[in-house]
Amino acid sequence: QLQLQESGPGLVKPSETLSLTCSVSGDSISSSDYYWAWVRQPPGKGLEWIGTIYYPGSTYYNPSLMSRVTISVDTSKNQFSLRLTSVTAADTAVYFCARPPSYSPRSFFFDHWGQGTLVTVSP
Amino acid sequence: QSALTQPPSASGSPGQSVTISCTGTSSDVGGYYSVSWYQQHPGKAPKLMIYEVTKRPSGVPDRFSGSKSGNTASLTVSGLQVEDEADYYCSSYAGSNNPAVFGGGTKMTVL
Repeated sequence: QLQLQESGPGLVKPSETLSLTCSVSGDSISSSDYYWAWVRQPPGKGLEWIGTIYYPGSTYYNPSLMSRVTISVDTSKNQFSLRLTSVTAADTAVYFCARPPSYSPRSFFFDHWGQGTLVTVSP
Repeated sequence: QSALTQPPSASGSPGQSVTISCTGTSSDVGGYYSVSWYQQHPGKAPKLMIYEVTKRPSGVPDRFSGSKSGNTASLTVSGLQVEDEADYYCSSYAGSNNPAVFGGGTKMTVL
């Protein structure tokens, strides 16, 4: 049974880099045929797709965040990560990692989600 | 400003039907048969309710149905139940340069 778990600092200072990791259990990122994604949700607001990675190397990013975002995979730990540089208060959000369903593994809709982790950008 | 437009709220009494709209453009909703809908309860992760406009994942009640006409997709919840009270988000594929766009969400209230 697939499980996704986000981890990382809950507080980041403005202008610094936000770094989060999604630990995957129940599937292997390096041997499966899935896309792996990050989605965020500012407090009280809607969902925003951040980006998606397909191991070993394809990435897709939200054009509005592309200049600041990097998504990568660590196969040795079966994790994928998010880096968002030059953060501001507008980047304060719950960050989710997610995966598409087995019947559409390389799609941009998601049926497996982590529980989400709140990241606050504040001095 | 979300790429897709949803009404901020919708409501109905138990047993009634409610429809939520999701309006985009020919570059997203109207251009692809790839609209999905999510249900989100407070403090929880979203749950996929509809994909590819009309398909329901296993385990989703058939009270939930999806449709699309032109640049507008719709989610209909029939036989409304108390547990359907939640936020609902639409999403659409919008091309290889911006593959996933979301609506701003609709808060469904069961009166």
